[in-house]
Amino acid sequence: NAGVMQNPRHLVRRRGQEARLRCSPMKGHSHVYWYRQLPEEGLKFMVYLQKENIIDESGMPKERFSAEFPKEGPSILRIQQVVRGDSAAYFCASSPRLTGELFFGEGSRLTVL
Amino acid sequence: EDKVVQSPLSLVVHEGDTVTLNCSYEVTNFRSLLWYKQEKKAPTFLFMLTSSGIEKKSGRLSSILDKKELSSILNITATQTGDSAIYLCAVYLTQGGSEKLVFGKGTKLTVNP
Repeated sequence: NAGVMQNPRHLVRRRGQEARLRCSPMKGHSHVYWYRQLPEEGLKFMVYLQKENIIDESGMPKERFSAEFPKEGPSILRIQQVVRGDSAAYFCASSPRLTGELFFGEGSRLTVL
Repeated sequence: EDKVVQSPLSLVVHEGDTVTLNCSYEVTNFRSLLWYKQEKKAPTFLFMLTSSGIEKKSGRLSSILDKKELSSILNITATQTGDSAIYLCAVYLTQGGSEKLVFGKGTKLTVNP
């Protein structure tokens, strides 16, 4: 059973471009979370999704950021018109049910020039 | 606002030392407390604690939850260089129909030979 797969692992964008980060949860997992990690900081919750539904997006900036988890395919975190402050590691995590134990991917490191 | 605070933020020890990492929390709708270890990549699960006073052990690592004091400790005995990592404490909570992990900033442990 493959773990949580994220791609790309590294992404470089110029200011104003769009960044798309993908996450394939573990097989059988229907709960997906996105977290952001800045240097020397813990993981900050962004959004919690189930298939085709956004359950909680309270941690996601209202502008430029969006997330989806379609019926088929990976979950996508999309950042439009990136700015330097968006540079961070973005981690996806999945869970088969609501137990608290999340399984993390290896993260996508976004650098905005 | 839900808050998880870890201390110390950083710790340097020699191989063979015993360390104690602290985590305190102030949250509504607590469900459980989790410890993760993060080396260069994905956080990996260590423990989940739901009941006060019951110690969980895995090899040289152990952890216990104190619900009265709203805190937990993670102990590592006979430390090895491979224990060098960031140790993350997280609280699993429910909030308005959502469920999520709220993380502390982590304790960066460095074990020198």
